[in-house]
Amino acid sequence: DQQVKQNSPSLSVQEGRISILNCDYTNSMFDYFLWYKKYPAEGPTFLISISSIKDKNEDGRFTVFLNKSAKHLSLHIVPSQPGDSAVYFCACGSTLGRLYFGRGTQLTVWP
Amino acid sequence: GAVVSQHPSRVICKSGTSVKIECRSLDFQATTMFWYRQFPKKSLMLMATSNEGSKATYEQGVEKDKFLINHASLTLSTLTVTSAHPEDSSFYICSARGYTTGNSYEQYFGPGTRLTVT
Repeated sequence: DQQVKQNSPSLSVQEGRISILNCDYTNSMFDYFLWYKKYPAEGPTFLISISSIKDKNEDGRFTVFLNKSAKHLSLHIVPSQPGDSAVYFCACGSTLGRLYFGRGTQLTVWP
Repeated sequence: GAVVSQHPSRVICKSGTSVKIECRSLDFQATTMFWYRQFPKKSLMLMATSNEGSKATYEQGVEKDKFLINHASLTLSTLTVTSAHPEDSSFYICSARGYTTGNSYEQYFGPGTRLTVT
Protein backbone atom coordinates (compact mmCIF):
# COMPACT_ATOMS: atom_id res chain seq x y z
CA ASP A 1 0.00 0.00 0.00
CA GLN A 2 1.72 3.12 -1.27
CA GLN A 3 1.24 5.88 1.29
CA VAL A 4 3.26 8.35 -0.75
CA LYS A 5 2.76 8.70 -4.46
CA GLN A 6 4.63 10.56 -7.13
CA ASN A 7 2.44 10.05 -10.15
CA SER A 8 4.82 11.48 -12.72
CA PRO A 9 7.77 9.16 -13.30
CA SER A 10 9.47 11.78 -15.42
CA LEU A 11 9.49 15.50 -16.15
CA SER A 12 11.36 17.38 -18.85
CA VAL A 13 11.92 21.13 -18.55
CA GLN A 14 13.92 23.67 -20.46
CA GLU A 15 16.77 25.42 -18.66
CA GLY A 16 15.66 28.64 -17.01
CA ARG A 17 12.05 27.60 -16.66
CA ILE A 18 10.24 26.36 -13.59
CA SER A 19 10.19 22.68 -12.63
CA ILE A 20 7.23 21.54 -10.56
CA LEU A 21 7.36 18.11 -8.97
CA ASN A 22 4.27 16.78 -7.24
CA CYS A 23 3.63 14.35 -4.43
CA ASP A 24 0.46 13.03 -2.80
CA TYR A 25 0.12 11.19 0.47
CA THR A 26 -2.68 9.34 2.19
CA ASN A 27 -1.77 9.29 5.88
CA SER A 28 -3.16 12.30 7.76
CA MET A 29 -0.76 11.56 10.64
CA PHE A 30 2.22 12.66 8.59
CA ASP A 31 3.55 15.92 9.93
CA TYR A 32 6.91 16.24 8.28
CA PHE A 33 7.73 16.26 4.60
CA LEU A 34 11.03 16.21 2.77
CA TRP A 35 12.43 16.24 -0.73
CA TYR A 36 15.56 14.38 -1.70
CA LYS A 37 17.58 14.45 -4.89
CA LYS A 38 19.36 11.37 -6.12
CA TYR A 39 21.93 10.71 -8.82
CA PRO A 40 22.51 7.19 -10.16
CA ALA A 41 24.61 4.96 -7.89
CA GLU A 42 24.62 7.55 -5.12
CA GLY A 43 22.67 7.99 -1.92
CA PRO A 44 19.87 10.58 -1.79
CA THR A 45 20.79 14.13 -0.87
CA PHE A 46 18.50 16.13 1.37
CA LEU A 47 17.11 19.20 -0.39
CA ILE A 48 14.38 20.86 1.62
CA SER A 49 11.76 20.04 4.20
CA ILE A 50 8.55 21.43 5.62
CA SER A 51 6.58 20.71 8.75
CA SER A 52 2.82 20.52 8.87
CA ILE A 53 2.53 23.86 10.65
CA LYS A 54 3.69 25.65 7.52
CA ASP A 55 2.42 25.75 3.98
CA LYS A 56 5.55 27.04 2.29
CA ASN A 57 9.27 26.82 2.79
CA GLU A 58 11.83 28.43 0.54
CA ASP A 59 15.56 27.84 0.17
CA GLY A 60 17.22 29.56 -2.73
CA ARG A 61 15.86 28.18 -5.97
CA PHE A 62 13.84 25.52 -4.18
CA THR A 63 10.41 26.05 -2.67
CA VAL A 64 8.20 23.39 -1.16
CA PHE A 65 4.46 23.94 -0.87
CA LEU A 66 2.21 21.91 1.39
CA ASN A 67 -1.56 21.64 1.04
CA LYS A 68 -2.67 19.62 4.05
CA SER A 69 -6.33 19.51 3.15
CA ALA A 70 -5.47 18.00 -0.22
CA LYS A 71 -2.64 15.91 1.22
CA HIS A 72 -0.42 17.25 -1.50
CA LEU A 73 3.00 18.77 -1.64
CA SER A 74 5.05 20.12 -4.46
CA LEU A 75 8.62 21.15 -5.10
CA HIS A 76 9.27 24.16 -7.30
CA ILE A 77 12.69 24.74 -8.79
CA VAL A 78 13.21 28.08 -10.45
CA PRO A 79 15.15 28.72 -12.53
CA SER A 80 15.88 25.13 -13.50
CA GLN A 81 19.46 24.27 -14.39
CA PRO A 82 20.94 21.26 -16.22
CA GLY A 83 22.66 20.23 -12.99
CA ASP A 84 19.24 19.76 -11.45
CA SER A 85 18.70 16.71 -13.65
CA ALA A 86 18.26 13.82 -11.22
CA VAL A 87 15.62 11.69 -9.57
CA TYR A 88 13.63 13.54 -6.92
CA PHE A 89 12.05 11.62 -4.07
CA CYS A 90 9.30 12.92 -1.88
CA ALA A 91 9.33 11.59 1.70
CA CYS A 92 6.69 11.88 4.41
CA GLY A 93 6.76 10.94 8.05
CA SER A 94 5.48 11.55 11.53
CA THR A 95 7.38 12.83 14.54
CA LEU A 96 10.53 10.78 15.04
CA GLY A 97 9.00 7.93 13.05
CA ARG A 98 10.14 6.37 9.83
CA LEU A 99 9.91 8.06 6.45
CA TYR A 100 7.80 6.81 3.58
CA PHE A 101 9.14 7.50 0.13
CA GLY A 102 7.48 7.98 -3.21
CA ARG A 103 8.87 6.18 -6.25
CA GLY A 104 10.62 9.25 -7.53
CA THR A 105 10.38 11.56 -10.51
CA GLN A 106 13.19 11.77 -13.04
CA LEU A 107 13.76 15.43 -13.84
CA THR A 108 15.60 16.29 -17.02
CA VAL A 109 16.57 19.90 -17.61
CA TRP A 110 17.64 20.53 -21.19
CA PRO A 111 19.57 23.56 -22.47
CA GLY B 1 27.79 19.06 8.32
CA ALA B 2 25.56 15.97 8.49
CA VAL B 3 27.81 13.65 6.54
CA VAL B 4 27.16 9.93 6.41
CA SER B 5 29.67 7.52 4.95
CA GLN B 6 29.33 3.93 3.83
CA HIS B 7 31.97 1.33 3.28
CA PRO B 8 32.55 -0.37 0.95
CA SER B 9 31.04 1.48 -1.98
CA ARG B 10 31.11 -1.66 -4.11
CA VAL B 11 31.50 -5.31 -3.21
CA ILE B 12 31.40 -8.49 -5.21
CA CYS B 13 31.09 -11.75 -3.33
CA LYS B 14 30.43 -15.38 -4.06
CA SER B 15 27.13 -17.02 -3.31
CA GLY B 16 27.03 -18.41 0.23
CA THR B 17 29.47 -15.95 1.75
CA SER B 18 28.67 -13.08 4.11
CA VAL B 19 29.25 -9.40 3.51
CA LYS B 20 29.40 -6.59 6.04
CA ILE B 21 28.52 -3.00 5.16
CA GLU B 22 29.39 -0.14 7.50
CA CYS B 23 27.50 3.10 7.92
CA ARG B 24 29.02 5.97 9.86
CA SER B 25 27.78 9.41 10.80
CA LEU B 26 30.90 11.54 10.61
CA ASP B 27 29.96 14.80 12.26
CA PHE B 28 26.90 14.12 14.35
CA GLN B 29 25.53 11.52 16.70
CA ALA B 30 22.95 9.35 15.04
CA THR B 31 20.31 8.28 17.50
CA THR B 32 18.61 6.28 14.79
CA MET B 33 19.94 4.66 11.66
CA PHE B 34 17.96 3.18 8.81
CA TRP B 35 18.87 0.64 6.17
CA TYR B 36 17.27 0.79 2.76
CA ARG B 37 17.45 -1.26 -0.37
CA GLN B 38 16.77 0.17 -3.77
CA PHE B 39 15.47 -1.91 -6.63
CA PRO B 40 15.80 -0.67 -10.21
CA LYS B 41 13.20 1.95 -11.07
CA LYS B 42 11.59 1.63 -7.67
CA SER B 43 11.54 3.62 -4.50
CA LEU B 44 13.73 3.11 -1.50
CA MET B 45 12.56 0.10 0.47
CA LEU B 46 13.09 0.42 4.20
CA MET B 47 14.58 -2.79 5.55
CA ALA B 48 15.07 -1.96 9.21
CA THR B 49 15.39 0.77 11.79
CA SER B 50 17.99 0.63 14.51
CA ASN B 51 18.49 2.70 17.62
CA GLU B 52 21.85 2.75 19.32
CA GLY B 53 22.18 -0.02 21.86
CA SER B 54 18.96 -1.79 21.04
CA LYS B 55 17.81 -4.42 18.60
CA ALA B 56 16.82 -3.39 15.13
CA THR B 57 13.20 -3.29 14.08
CA TYR B 58 12.71 -5.05 10.78
CA GLU B 59 10.05 -4.28 8.21
CA GLN B 60 7.62 -6.96 7.20
CA GLY B 61 9.10 -9.42 4.77
CA VAL B 62 12.73 -8.70 5.69
CA GLU B 63 14.53 -11.71 7.17
CA LYS B 64 16.26 -10.63 10.34
CA ASP B 65 18.49 -13.71 10.36
CA LYS B 66 19.69 -12.94 6.87
CA PHE B 67 20.20 -9.21 7.26
CA LEU B 68 21.94 -8.71 10.59
CA ILE B 69 22.02 -5.15 11.84
CA ASN B 70 24.16 -3.90 14.66
CA HIS B 71 24.07 -0.32 15.94
CA ALA B 72 27.02 -0.44 18.27
CA SER B 73 27.53 3.27 18.82
CA LEU B 74 26.01 6.64 18.04
CA THR B 75 28.15 6.88 14.93
CA LEU B 76 28.26 3.35 13.55
CA SER B 77 25.77 0.82 12.28
CA THR B 78 26.57 -2.32 10.30
CA LEU B 79 24.50 -4.47 7.98
CA THR B 80 25.70 -8.02 7.42
CA VAL B 81 24.18 -9.97 4.56
CA THR B 82 24.61 -13.59 5.57
CA SER B 83 24.79 -16.50 3.14
CA ALA B 84 24.35 -14.12 0.24
CA HIS B 85 22.51 -15.23 -2.89
CA PRO B 86 22.37 -13.60 -6.32
CA GLU B 87 18.91 -12.22 -5.54
CA ASP B 88 20.48 -10.21 -2.72
CA SER B 89 22.38 -8.21 -5.33
CA SER B 90 21.18 -4.64 -4.94
CA PHE B 91 22.04 -1.11 -3.92
CA TYR B 92 22.00 -0.78 -0.14
CA ILE B 93 21.75 2.66 1.40
CA CYS B 94 21.90 3.70 5.02
CA SER B 95 20.64 6.89 6.55
CA ALA B 96 21.11 8.47 9.92
CA ARG B 97 19.01 10.78 12.01
CA GLY B 98 20.19 12.84 14.90
CA TYR B 99 20.29 16.35 16.30
CA THR B 100 22.26 18.15 13.64
CA THR B 101 20.64 21.51 13.11
CA GLY B 102 18.28 21.46 16.05
CA ASN B 103 15.90 19.46 13.93
CA SER B 104 15.79 15.76 14.56
CA TYR B 105 13.52 14.84 11.70
CA GLU B 106 15.88 14.99 8.81
CA GLN B 107 17.58 11.85 7.64
CA TYR B 108 20.94 12.06 5.96
CA PHE B 109 21.92 9.35 3.56
CA GLY B 110 25.14 7.56 2.89
CA PRO B 111 26.42 7.19 -0.67
CA GLY B 112 25.22 3.60 -0.93
CA THR B 113 26.86 0.21 -1.43
CA ARG B 114 26.47 -1.77 -4.62
CA LEU B 115 26.43 -5.49 -3.73
CA THR B 116 26.84 -8.06 -6.47
CA VAL B 117 26.58 -11.72 -5.57
CA THR B 118 27.95 -14.11 -8.18
